[in-house]
Amino acid sequence: SQTIHQWPATLVQPVGSPLSLECTVEGTSNPNLYWYRQAAGRGLQLLFYSVGIGQISSEVPQNLSASRPQDRQFILSSKKLLLSDSGFYLCAWSLNRGLKTGELFFGEGSRLTVL
Amino acid sequence: GNSVTQMEGPVTLSEEAFLTINCTYTATGYPSLFWYVQYPGEGLQLLLKATKADDKGSNKGFEATYRKETTSFHLEKGSVQVSDSAVYFCALLHGNKLVFGAGTILRVKS
Repeated sequence: SQTIHQWPATLVQPVGSPLSLECTVEGTSNPNLYWYRQAAGRGLQLLFYSVGIGQISSEVPQNLSASRPQDRQFILSSKKLLLSDSGFYLCAWSLNRGLKTGELFFGEGSRLTVL
Repeated sequence: GNSVTQMEGPVTLSEEAFLTINCTYTATGYPSLFWYVQYPGEGLQLLLKATKADDKGSNKGFEATYRKETTSFHLEKGSVQVSDSAVYFCALLHGNKLVFGAGTILRVKS
């Protein structure tokens, strides 16, 4: 069966510090991978998605970046965090035949607080 | 553009009450529609879906009907339980991406 893990679960970082959130998927090959952010009182915002190794699409201009160094690994990074980067970050995957079933499988999330 | 609008919460109900969470969408064409649920401390999971007009999605006692006339996909349940307390997200499929609404918090009291 497929599983998705992301870490760390909770992170408190000062403004200006770097960020690295990791996500790995097991039990499937060549998945589509996604990073979403859920800010307090707001909905889910798609940040990045990837349909293959080294292929990253950015949805929202910001100081975050994403990388996919391996087929089932997706990393969210920042060189210098802003207060506005605080939120709940969710990694997700879907089958690679497009999102035809509409089903995304989400990780448990990473709560980031920037102080 | 494509977007989803949900009723604002929180919605607070007593156990066994009837639930409706409104969802309307704006999209080109007729996208597939979904409801996702996020239980406390967990990630999101798919609750139900409908892929074409007049389809009814159902799961765990929840239902939603795809209404193209009103561009709506309201979530309903006849008798809620405390364990239904969660955040509910309406979403539409646009190309290779899911576009989510803001989410509606549901609190069910015993």
